[in-house]
Formats: sequence, structure tokens, C-alpha cells
Amino acid sequence: GIQVEQSPPDLILQEGANSTLRCNFSDSVNNLQWFHQNPWGQLINLFYIPSGTKQNGRLSATTVATERYSLLYISSSQTTDSGVYFCAVVRAQKLVFGQGTRLTINP
Amino acid sequence: NAGVMQNPRHLVRRRGQEARLRCSPMKGHSHVYWYRQLPEEGLKFMVYLQKENIIDESGMPKERFSAEFPKEGPSILRIQQVVRGDSAAYFCASSPRSQGTSGQNEQYFGPGTRLTVT
Repeated sequence: GIQVEQSPPDLILQEGANSTLRCNFSDSVNNLQWFHQNPWGQLINLFYIPSGTKQNGRLSATTVATERYSLLYISSSQTTDSGVYFCAVVRAQKLVFGQGTRLTINP
Repeated sequence: NAGVMQNPRHLVRRRGQEARLRCSPMKGHSHVYWYRQLPEEGLKFMVYLQKENIIDESGMPKERFSAEFPKEGPSILRIQQVVRGDSAAYFCASSPRSQGTSGQNEQYFGPGTRLTVT
């Protein structure tokens, strides 16, 4: 089946720093989503981005489908950005998740 | 517009008991998906349902687990004779169309049910 790999697995930053999270996938996909799982365990939709670039406030994402990767950018990090960030691709009607990047933002 | 609702949020069961997890999709969504998250791991697909039909249950354990999405009411994930290894967070997601159709079609997740088996 399709493999989804995220890097780095862990990232610790100071408040105000910028970060880039990467998601590689092993086969072509039609849909890709980014999620933030907050410290309370809730999954929050960030982007639906099968290709191209989208921005939402301090967050933006770019997917290059032909090269099988997606990037999530977080600028001017805040402590509330802490949590685990997952990318997920659709394969045979279901989402296949990466293992996530655990982001810790220190004040 | 209410999001995906799951209940209970927390469920404690003794080994051998049954667990029933409920999921109400977003209004207008007829496609429901169940995922399981073991501690410190990513989410794994379990089952995909439409009203009264199981479309894909390839991620469901062969025994003790079952799911349904009746014509009326929420989707139910049922785990019989629970064991400690069933302790996990169970998430439900919904979408307005099947994942194979074109156009914006993201899955939206509920808050999850955290099952603890003692």
C-alpha cells in the first residue's frame, strides 16, 4: 500500500520561530489533508490541498503532486500551535495517515 | 452547523464487556469512516460506511468488531468481549461524497471516544 512519511518526527522551537513540516508519499494521490491534533486530542482540519498552495493566517501549505510531497509552513509560532501535525492521503476511499510531527513551542 | 459528534467521549470497560461507540455525521454528510489511534501512534482506518451499507471494512479486526450505519440514527462501532489491547482513541469522520469523486471532499473528524479497558 501507499507509504506516507513525515519529517521531522519531533520539533522543539521558541515562540516566534518559523517551521516547515514535510510529508512524502510513495504514489500519486488525488486528495491530501493536513491536520493538527491538539494536546486535548482533537483533530482539527488545517488544509485540504491535493495540489498547489493555500494560506490561512500564519499557516500555509504547498503540495507538489508530481514530486509526491507536501509542505506545511508555520510562521511566528505560538504556544497554542503545539501538538501533533498529521498529513493524510486518500487511497481507495480512505485516509492513510503519516506518523505525525510532534511540535512543541516553548514560551 | 454542528460538526461530527461522538459519544461517549470517555468509556471505561472491564475485560470481557461490550463497548458501543456512537457517531453522528455532519448535517448533509452520508459517508462515515472510523479510525483507531493507539497510544503514541497515527490513525489507522477501520471501516467506511454509507447509510445501511458497509463499503470497506478492510481495517477491521476479523473478530469482535462490527459497525453499522442504519437508515435512521447514528453510526455504531461495537466491540464485543473487549481486551486490554482495544484501549485506544476511536475517531469517526464524515464527508459529503465518496473520496473518489471530484471537487472539495475533505473528511471532518469528531472529538473521538477514548476507550480504556481495565
